[in-house]
Amino acid sequence: NAGVTQTPKFQVLKTGQSMTLQCAQDMNHNSMYWYRQDPGMGLRLIYYSASEGTTDKGEVPNGYNVSRLNKREFSLRLESAAPSQTSVYFCASSEGDSNQPQHFGDGTRLSIL
Amino acid sequence: AQSVTQLGSHVSVSEGALVLLRCNYSSSVPPYLFWYVQYPNQGLQLLLKYTSAATLVKGINGFEAEFKKSETSFHLTKPSAHMSDAAEYFCAVSPGGYQKVTFGTGTKLQVIP
Repeated sequence: NAGVTQTPKFQVLKTGQSMTLQCAQDMNHNSMYWYRQDPGMGLRLIYYSASEGTTDKGEVPNGYNVSRLNKREFSLRLESAAPSQTSVYFCASSEGDSNQPQHFGDGTRLSIL
Repeated sequence: AQSVTQLGSHVSVSEGALVLLRCNYSSSVPPYLFWYVQYPNQGLQLLLKYTSAATLVKGINGFEAEFKKSETSFHLTKPSAHMSDAAEYFCAVSPGGYQKVTFGTGTKLQVIP
């Protein structure tokens, strides 16, 4: 009964490096989300996918790309990491096209030096 | 644009005392409102949500929240705090229930034995 699974849990990058954060859900949910969480700022939406093959920008999309590979998987890519992207990243999912995240992964803690 | 204000970034209560976490919202249309809880090193969990039905909403773990349109508030309460309630709590709003959720900045609840 995994729910939403994120990998890796921790990562340290150097400025300019690239990496992909992986997310998979096993609840057959249509909608998936990527958020970043920074101290004192709550969660901010990076990208959203209402269904396989569709993605929409959220509040803070600059510097990120996403791919909805299939219904289960939604990946987030940093092409050229910057220190401002140091954050905790959460993937979430929900039923239907609800715009309302229901289930969250445990997060990826990313530090960029 | 919608917004959420959580009053008090840190709240301390004694074990067995009333828990009251405050949330005020701004929305151009009737809102859907949410409370999420985040335990250390975990993702968010949905505690409860208001979707324009009953104004008093009951959630998991004994929490409830009351929607007050005249006060634009959606405060979270629990009659008796347990040590296990220590966590960070986020209020969130979705105008009309069809726009993307906007999160507040969170309130960390400390429960003192």
